[in-house]
Amino acid sequence: NAGVMQNPRHLVRRRGQEARLRCSPMKGHSHVYWYRQLPEEGLKFMVYLQKENIIDESGMPKERFSAEFPKEGPSILRIQQVVRGDSAAYFCASLPTGRENTGELFFGEGSRLTVL
Amino acid sequence: AQSVSQHNHHVILSEAASLELGCNYSYGGTVNLFWYVQYPGQHLQLLLKYFSGDPLVKGIKGFEAEFIKSKFSFNLRKPSVQWSDTAEYFCAVQISSGSARQLTFGSGTQLTVLP
Repeated sequence: NAGVMQNPRHLVRRRGQEARLRCSPMKGHSHVYWYRQLPEEGLKFMVYLQKENIIDESGMPKERFSAEFPKEGPSILRIQQVVRGDSAAYFCASLPTGRENTGELFFGEGSRLTVL
Repeated sequence: AQSVSQHNHHVILSEAASLELGCNYSYGGTVNLFWYVQYPGQHLQLLLKYFSGDPLVKGIKGFEAEFIKSKFSFNLRKPSVQWSDTAEYFCAVQISSGSARQLTFGSGTQLTVLP
């Protein structure tokens, strides 16, 4: 059973470009979280999605950031017009269906975004 | 909103030393508490969790944590560390009721165990 898969593992973008980060949850998991880790800081919650639904996006910046989790395919975190401050590690985590209240997240290895 | 504080950013110990990593949270209601660990080059994984019941919980690899409600603390302990315990450790809190389901993480503690 493959774990949570994130790609790309490393992404370099110039200011103003778009970044797309993908997350494939574990088989049987229908809930996905995205977290951001800035240098010297902890993991900051961004968004919580269920297939075709955004459950909680209270941690998402108001502009340039969006997330989706379609019925088919991976969850996508999209950052438009990137700025240097977007440079961070972005982690995806998934939860098994029916265990949403457990907090037992299964994390991917993260995608490291560098904005030049 | 809840928050989590991990006061030790970097801890260096020799093998066989005892470990205690501090974790304090701020939230007045009922919470679920977690410790996650990230070994070098690996993904974050759950070390142990507390939902209710016995405030002393045991996790994998000989780790344990004690929930002290009056102190809003959930410190992680291990009586004798090994070189393989070198990793970053994250404390996390989840509000146990209501619609909010995200985990709020602390800033992490990097543990280095010297052989």
